Amino acid sequence: DQQVKQNSPSLSVQEGRISILNCDYTNSMFDYFLWYKKYPAEGPTFLISISSIKDKNEDGRFTVFLNKSAKHLSLHIVPSQPGDSAVYFCAASGFTGGGNKLTFGTGTQLKVEL
Amino acid sequence: GAGVSQSPRYKVAKRGQDVALRCDPISGHVSLFWYQQALGQGPEFLTYFQNEAQLDKSGLPSDRFFAERPEGSVSTLKIQRTQQEDSAVYLCASSLVVWDEQLFGPGTRLTVL
Repeated sequence: DQQVKQNSPSLSVQEGRISILNCDYTNSMFDYFLWYKKYPAEGPTFLISISSIKDKNEDGRFTVFLNKSAKHLSLHIVPSQPGDSAVYFCAASGFTGGGNKLTFGTGTQLKVEL
Repeated sequence: GAGVSQSPRYKVAKRGQDVALRCDPISGHVSLFWYQQALGQGPEFLTYFQNEAQLDKSGLPSDRFFAERPEGSVSTLKIQRTQQEDSAVYLCASSLVVWDEQLFGPGTRLTVL
């Protein structure tokens, strides 16, 4: 049962254009969402997060949008740069008192082309 | 170092062998998590520590998997009698407090032959 889904395994965009990565979730108990970026042979690096009380959070070139009614979130990167080429994971959590364990999607490979 | 470190980075084990994977979290971080990432998948939660207390081990796939954090800092994930399906990258993450962003180490890639 995949509670966090990233339906696009890969995405290719041109340098300078906008990259939009999508994520859907099924568990209504999730109240905190994060995006991580991963390069080969490295651990995931935290990018940006959003609480369920907000619908948008922005940090430089990265913006995350949350649509709770649709159980959907997206990460916008603008402008895209070649160094953004990596695997992006969407993750969700719902504090249950036993820890803030993350449930991850399967990732989207972003390739930013010159 | 300033980040989470893990050792070894790569481990090859023969089926049936026991392995121990080490995680050094960021100094002062209370929360420590272990995740397993199979090829082509996202990380999956294994277990969680708050200081030395293991508060959630619901993700451990079998009783061959055991984790400890005896002094509330370094943690070890032990896998007994390894099987081929245990081949994966094992990621450790820590956070200052339980609701803070988790910062990941580089992982240990385990290959069981």
